[in-house]
Amino acid sequence: AQRVTQPEKLLSVFKGAPVELKCNYSYSGSPELFWYVQYSRQRLQLLLRHISRESIKGFTADLNKGETSFHLKKPFAQEEDSAMYYCALNPNSGYALNFGKGTSLLVTP
Amino acid sequence: GAGVSQSPRYKVAKRGQDVALRCDPISGHVSLFWYQQALGQGPEFLTYFQNEAQLDKSGLPSDRFFAERPEGSVSTLKIQRTQQEDSAVYLCASSLSGGRPKDTQYFGPGTRLTVL
Repeated sequence: AQRVTQPEKLLSVFKGAPVELKCNYSYSGSPELFWYVQYSRQRLQLLLRHISRESIKGFTADLNKGETSFHLKKPFAQEEDSAMYYCALNPNSGYALNFGKGTSLLVTP
Repeated sequence: GAGVSQSPRYKVAKRGQDVALRCDPISGHVSLFWYQQALGQGPEFLTYFQNEAQLDKSGLPSDRFFAERPEGSVSTLKIQRTQQEDSAVYLCASSLSGGRPKDTQYFGPGTRLTVL
């Protein structure tokens, strides 16, 4: 069965501090992993996906198949990064996204 | 351009009432998805359309839930005889082509359903 686990419900950091939002998954095949973000009063939107190997808004995420993890990292958090972050998995043969429960990131000045 | 739109944004229903939630996908998007997001949870997949064909409805929680997309554009999610456990935000998403994983899913603002 597919499962996405985000162990932290809430993560609070100071502005300028590094941030890491954890995501672990269970899936027997080779999934595609995503991070979605929802800013206050905005809709859910794609932040980044592992196949693109890109950095968006200073965030990066590396797929670690050995540890089945896809942690989201940013070296210097900004106040505008405060939002709800969801890790999601898409099986390679499917299309529906399987989301974790989300982590609320709060960046304080 | 216009993104995915959903209506109504908020719906309050008495237990036992039927409700209909509408989704307008991005023009030209082939794939359309419905998700249910309970309070404090991530979105959970309900059903998927490719054009007018409902290819997967495995996530619909009961036969009280019904979705359609008759002309391959607008979709309606209908819930009959609503129960309190149906209270959630219902999200619609669309993607450009045939639901391949690499296609970005664009989400609507959601409809918050409260069943009293």
